[in-house]
Amino acid sequence: SQKIEQNSEALNIQEGKTATLTCNYTNYSPAYLQWYRQDPGRGPVFLLLIRENEKEKRKERLKVTFDTTLKQSLFHITASQPADSATYLCALDFSGNTGKLIFGQGTTLQVKP
Amino acid sequence: EAQVTQNPRYLITVTGKKLTVTCSQNMNHEYMSWYRQDPGLGLRQIYYSMNVEVTDKGDVPEGYKVSRKEKRNFPLILESPSPNQTSLYFCASKGAGTVALEQYFGPGTRLTVT
Repeated sequence: SQKIEQNSEALNIQEGKTATLTCNYTNYSPAYLQWYRQDPGRGPVFLLLIRENEKEKRKERLKVTFDTTLKQSLFHITASQPADSATYLCALDFSGNTGKLIFGQGTTLQVKP
Repeated sequence: EAQVTQNPRYLITVTGKKLTVTCSQNMNHEYMSWYRQDPGLGLRQIYYSMNVEVTDKGDVPEGYKVSRKEKRNFPLILESPSPNQTSLYFCASKGAGTVALEQYFGPGTRLTVT
């Protein structure tokens, strides 16, 4: 079955630095890969989507890369701020149209001032 | 404001007492889904619905029922809750097609079954 691995250990970085989170998957490459942010006790919030034929996507301080050969996506937050502290979820989307997502367990990011 | 709402937000119940968690979206989305989130297991899909009267099982459907009689509502029913259904539940919705793929999640319902 399809598996997604995100670093289960929390990532602690200093304010202003770039945070890099990793999402690795096995077996088949998805048609799309999505990243969500989740704050404690709240629902996930969509951040970025990247398609299988795209190498990189940017949105303000966020950047996502997608390497179907390595079966890996990297999620970068540049000039990180304490307000970026949250859990970030990677989700594989194989169908797009049906909306079925397979989520990773998430990586918790802590940005210290 | 575009949103997905869930009720109740918190629920403590006893084994075997039927309950319903409601979910409603105001974005005219075709697709709706229920997930449960457990420590160490992440978000897992329970059921999803492509449109009114169209539902299908997700990865962990046992012990749950759903219905989609109206486009905006997608209730989750636990006919006979058990302690292993203690979890944090999220409803989500998205539009049809492959243009808008992002999912909108509700605020969550924390369920405890004793």
